[in-house]
Amino acid sequence: GENVEQHPSTLSVQEGDSAVIKCTYSDSASNYFPWYKQELGKGPQLIIDIRSNVGEKKDQRIAVTLNKTAKHFSLHITETQPEDSAVYFCAATLNDYKLSFGAGTTVTVRA
Amino acid sequence: NAGVTQTPKFRILKIGQSMTLQCTQDMNHNYMYWYRQDPGMGLKLIYYSVGAGITDKGEVPNGYNVSRSTTEDFPLRLELAAPSQTSVYFCASSRDRGTTEAFFGQGTRLTVV
Repeated sequence: GENVEQHPSTLSVQEGDSAVIKCTYSDSASNYFPWYKQELGKGPQLIIDIRSNVGEKKDQRIAVTLNKTAKHFSLHITETQPEDSAVYFCAATLNDYKLSFGAGTTVTVRA
Repeated sequence: NAGVTQTPKFRILKIGQSMTLQCTQDMNHNYMYWYRQDPGMGLKLIYYSVGAGITDKGEVPNGYNVSRSTTEDFPLRLELAAPSQTSVYFCASSRDRGTTEAFFGQGTRLTVV
Protein backbone atom coordinates (compact mmCIF):
# COMPACT_ATOMS: atom_id res chain seq x y z
CA GLY A 1 0.00 0.00 0.00
CA GLU A 2 0.85 3.68 -0.17
CA ASN A 3 3.28 5.09 2.40
CA VAL A 4 3.43 8.85 2.98
CA GLU A 5 6.22 10.50 4.95
CA GLN A 6 5.92 14.09 6.15
CA HIS A 7 8.56 16.52 7.39
CA PRO A 8 9.10 18.37 9.61
CA SER A 9 6.97 17.17 12.52
CA THR A 10 7.02 20.65 14.08
CA LEU A 11 7.62 24.04 12.54
CA SER A 12 7.85 27.42 14.26
CA VAL A 13 7.88 30.56 12.12
CA GLN A 14 7.77 34.28 12.73
CA GLU A 15 4.57 35.99 11.67
CA GLY A 16 4.97 37.19 8.10
CA ASP A 17 7.55 34.55 7.17
CA SER A 18 6.94 31.57 4.93
CA ALA A 19 6.36 27.96 5.99
CA VAL A 20 7.13 24.89 3.90
CA ILE A 21 6.05 21.31 4.62
CA LYS A 22 7.30 18.42 2.52
CA CYS A 23 5.87 14.97 1.86
CA THR A 24 7.08 11.95 -0.05
CA TYR A 25 5.00 9.03 -1.28
CA SER A 26 5.91 5.52 -2.29
CA ASP A 27 3.43 4.48 -4.99
CA SER A 28 4.18 6.14 -8.32
CA ALA A 29 0.60 5.44 -9.44
CA SER A 30 -0.91 7.77 -6.78
CA ASN A 31 -2.76 10.56 -8.50
CA TYR A 32 -4.42 12.78 -5.88
CA PHE A 33 -2.65 14.74 -3.14
CA PRO A 34 -4.75 16.75 -0.68
CA TRP A 35 -3.64 18.85 2.27
CA TYR A 36 -5.74 19.08 5.41
CA LYS A 37 -5.57 21.60 8.25
CA GLN A 38 -6.63 20.58 11.74
CA GLU A 39 -7.28 23.28 14.32
CA LEU A 40 -7.33 22.47 18.01
CA GLY A 41 -10.35 20.39 18.98
CA LYS A 42 -11.66 20.11 15.43
CA GLY A 43 -11.61 17.63 12.60
CA PRO A 44 -9.28 18.04 9.61
CA GLN A 45 -10.45 20.36 6.84
CA LEU A 46 -9.29 20.37 3.23
CA ILE A 47 -7.31 23.50 2.35
CA ILE A 48 -5.88 22.64 -1.05
CA ASP A 49 -5.34 19.64 -3.29
CA ILE A 50 -3.46 18.78 -6.45
CA ARG A 51 -3.86 16.07 -9.04
CA SER A 52 -1.08 14.23 -10.81
CA ASN A 53 -1.55 16.08 -14.11
CA VAL A 54 -0.69 19.43 -12.50
CA GLY A 55 2.69 20.62 -11.19
CA GLU A 56 1.59 23.56 -9.05
CA LYS A 57 -1.58 25.06 -7.65
CA LYS A 58 -2.14 28.28 -5.72
CA ASP A 59 -4.94 29.64 -3.58
CA GLN A 60 -4.20 33.06 -2.09
CA ARG A 61 -1.38 32.55 0.46
CA ILE A 62 -1.09 28.80 0.07
CA ALA A 63 0.39 26.79 -2.77
CA VAL A 64 1.19 23.15 -3.41
CA THR A 65 3.84 21.77 -5.75
CA LEU A 66 4.13 18.22 -7.05
CA ASN A 67 7.22 16.49 -8.42
CA LYS A 68 6.06 13.15 -9.81
CA THR A 69 9.54 12.05 -10.82
CA ALA A 70 10.86 12.44 -7.30
CA LYS A 71 7.54 11.39 -5.74
CA HIS A 72 7.27 14.35 -3.44
CA PHE A 73 4.92 17.26 -2.93
CA SER A 74 5.07 20.34 -0.74
CA LEU A 75 2.81 22.89 0.92
CA HIS A 76 3.92 26.52 0.93
CA ILE A 77 2.30 29.13 3.15
CA THR A 78 3.40 32.72 2.56
CA GLU A 79 2.97 35.74 4.84
CA THR A 80 2.02 33.52 7.77
CA GLN A 81 -0.55 34.78 10.26
CA PRO A 82 -1.47 33.59 13.78
CA GLU A 83 -4.55 31.81 12.38
CA ASP A 84 -2.24 29.58 10.34
CA SER A 85 -1.17 27.88 13.58
CA ALA A 86 -2.54 24.32 13.32
CA VAL A 87 -1.61 20.74 12.45
CA TYR A 88 -1.25 20.12 8.72
CA PHE A 89 -1.58 16.68 7.10
CA CYS A 90 -0.60 15.66 3.62
CA ALA A 91 -2.22 12.64 1.99
CA ALA A 92 -2.06 10.57 -1.18
CA THR A 93 -4.39 8.17 -2.90
CA LEU A 94 -4.38 5.82 -5.87
CA ASN A 95 -7.82 6.78 -7.17
CA ASP A 96 -9.04 4.58 -4.37
CA TYR A 97 -11.38 4.78 -1.42
CA LYS A 98 -8.49 5.14 0.95
CA LEU A 99 -6.39 8.19 1.72
CA SER A 100 -2.94 7.51 3.16
CA PHE A 101 -2.03 10.33 5.53
CA GLY A 102 1.33 11.65 6.65
CA ALA A 103 2.05 11.90 10.38
CA GLY A 104 1.29 15.63 10.52
CA THR A 105 3.19 18.89 11.04
CA THR A 106 2.43 21.19 13.95
CA VAL A 107 2.89 24.75 12.75
CA THR A 108 3.25 27.56 15.27
CA VAL A 109 3.25 31.16 14.07
CA ARG A 110 5.00 33.46 16.56
CA ALA A 111 3.67 36.98 16.88
CA ASN B 1 -26.12 22.42 7.13
CA ALA B 2 -24.59 20.37 9.94
CA GLY B 3 -22.18 18.29 7.79
CA VAL B 4 -20.77 15.33 9.73
CA THR B 5 -21.88 14.97 13.35
CA GLN B 6 -20.21 12.65 15.85
CA THR B 7 -21.35 11.72 19.34
CA PRO B 8 -20.14 11.59 22.03
CA LYS B 9 -17.27 14.09 22.05
CA PHE B 10 -15.54 12.45 25.01
CA ARG B 11 -15.83 9.07 26.69
CA ILE B 12 -13.97 7.07 29.29
CA LEU B 13 -14.40 3.29 29.13
CA LYS B 14 -13.19 0.53 31.38
CA ILE B 15 -11.30 -2.40 29.88
CA GLY B 16 -13.76 -4.94 28.49
CA GLN B 17 -16.68 -2.53 28.17
CA SER B 18 -18.46 -1.92 24.87
CA MET B 19 -19.68 1.21 23.21
CA THR B 20 -20.89 2.64 19.93
CA LEU B 21 -19.56 5.83 18.40
CA GLN B 22 -22.29 7.52 16.42
CA CYS B 23 -21.78 9.29 13.09
CA THR B 24 -24.35 10.92 10.86
CA GLN B 25 -24.03 13.11 7.77
CA ASP B 26 -26.61 15.26 6.00
CA MET B 27 -24.82 15.75 2.67
CA ASN B 28 -26.21 12.59 1.03
CA HIS B 29 -22.68 11.27 0.56
CA ASN B 30 -22.36 7.63 -0.40
CA TYR B 31 -18.83 7.25 0.98
CA MET B 32 -18.16 7.23 4.72
CA TYR B 33 -15.04 6.46 6.73
CA TRP B 34 -13.80 5.93 10.27
CA TYR B 35 -10.27 6.99 11.17
CA ARG B 36 -8.31 6.91 14.39
CA GLN B 37 -5.69 9.52 15.20
CA ASP B 38 -2.82 8.76 17.52
CA PRO B 39 -0.08 11.28 18.44
CA GLY B 40 2.62 11.47 15.77
CA MET B 41 0.90 8.80 13.65
CA GLY B 42 -1.45 10.68 11.38
CA LEU B 43 -4.86 9.20 10.61
CA LYS B 44 -5.33 5.49 10.09
CA LEU B 45 -8.39 4.11 8.30
CA ILE B 46 -10.41 1.65 10.39
CA TYR B 47 -13.42 0.91 8.16
CA TYR B 48 -15.12 2.48 5.20
CA SER B 49 -18.43 2.20 3.38
CA VAL B 50 -19.30 2.92 -0.24
CA GLY B 51 -23.03 2.94 0.33
CA ALA B 52 -25.85 1.62 2.48
CA GLY B 53 -25.33 -2.07 3.20
CA ILE B 54 -21.70 -2.12 2.01
CA THR B 55 -18.71 -1.92 4.35
CA ASP B 56 -15.08 -2.96 4.16
CA LYS B 57 -11.97 -3.06 6.32
CA GLY B 58 -9.31 -0.40 6.29
CA GLU B 59 -5.77 -0.54 7.67
CA VAL B 60 -6.56 -1.15 11.36
CA PRO B 61 -9.96 -2.91 11.69
CA ASN B 62 -9.18 -5.31 14.55
CA GLY B 63 -11.36 -4.75 17.61
CA TYR B 64 -13.98 -2.74 15.72
CA ASN B 65 -17.18 -3.35 13.80
CA VAL B 66 -19.38 -1.14 11.64
CA SER B 67 -22.75 -1.18 9.96
CA ARG B 68 -24.38 1.02 7.33
CA SER B 69 -28.13 0.57 7.26
CA THR B 70 -28.84 4.07 5.89
CA THR B 71 -26.97 6.59 3.76
CA GLU B 72 -26.81 9.02 6.69
CA ASP B 73 -25.51 6.85 9.54
CA PHE B 74 -22.28 4.93 10.01
CA PRO B 75 -21.80 3.80 13.63
CA LEU B 76 -18.54 2.29 14.90
CA ARG B 77 -18.78 -0.43 17.54
CA LEU B 78 -16.10 -1.36 20.07
CA GLU B 79 -17.01 -4.73 21.61
CA LEU B 80 -14.29 -5.34 24.22
CA ALA B 81 -12.44 -2.13 24.88
CA ALA B 82 -8.67 -2.37 25.31
CA PRO B 83 -6.12 0.32 26.32
CA SER B 84 -4.72 0.18 22.76
CA GLN B 85 -8.01 1.66 21.58
CA THR B 86 -7.38 4.90 23.46
CA SER B 87 -7.37 7.42 20.62
CA VAL B 88 -9.27 10.19 18.90
CA TYR B 89 -11.78 8.86 16.39
CA PHE B 90 -12.94 10.75 13.33
CA CYS B 91 -15.81 9.98 11.05
CA ALA B 92 -15.71 11.41 7.52
CA SER B 93 -17.77 11.37 4.36
CA SER B 94 -17.15 12.19 0.72
CA ARG B 95 -19.23 12.55 -2.41
CA ASP B 96 -16.99 10.26 -4.39
CA ARG B 97 -13.98 8.00 -3.85
CA GLY B 98 -10.74 9.16 -2.22
CA THR B 99 -10.07 11.70 -4.95
CA THR B 100 -12.64 14.18 -3.71
CA GLU B 101 -12.85 16.26 -0.54
CA ALA B 102 -13.50 14.35 2.66
CA PHE B 103 -15.56 16.16 5.31
CA PHE B 104 -14.68 15.27 8.88
CA GLY B 105 -16.63 15.36 12.09
CA GLN B 106 -15.22 17.01 15.22
CA GLY B 107 -13.97 13.75 16.66
CA THR B 108 -14.53 11.55 19.71
CA ARG B 109 -11.78 11.37 22.30
CA LEU B 110 -11.89 7.89 23.84
CA THR B 111 -9.87 6.79 26.83
CA VAL B 112 -9.82 3.12 27.93
CA VAL B 113 -8.65 2.56 31.51
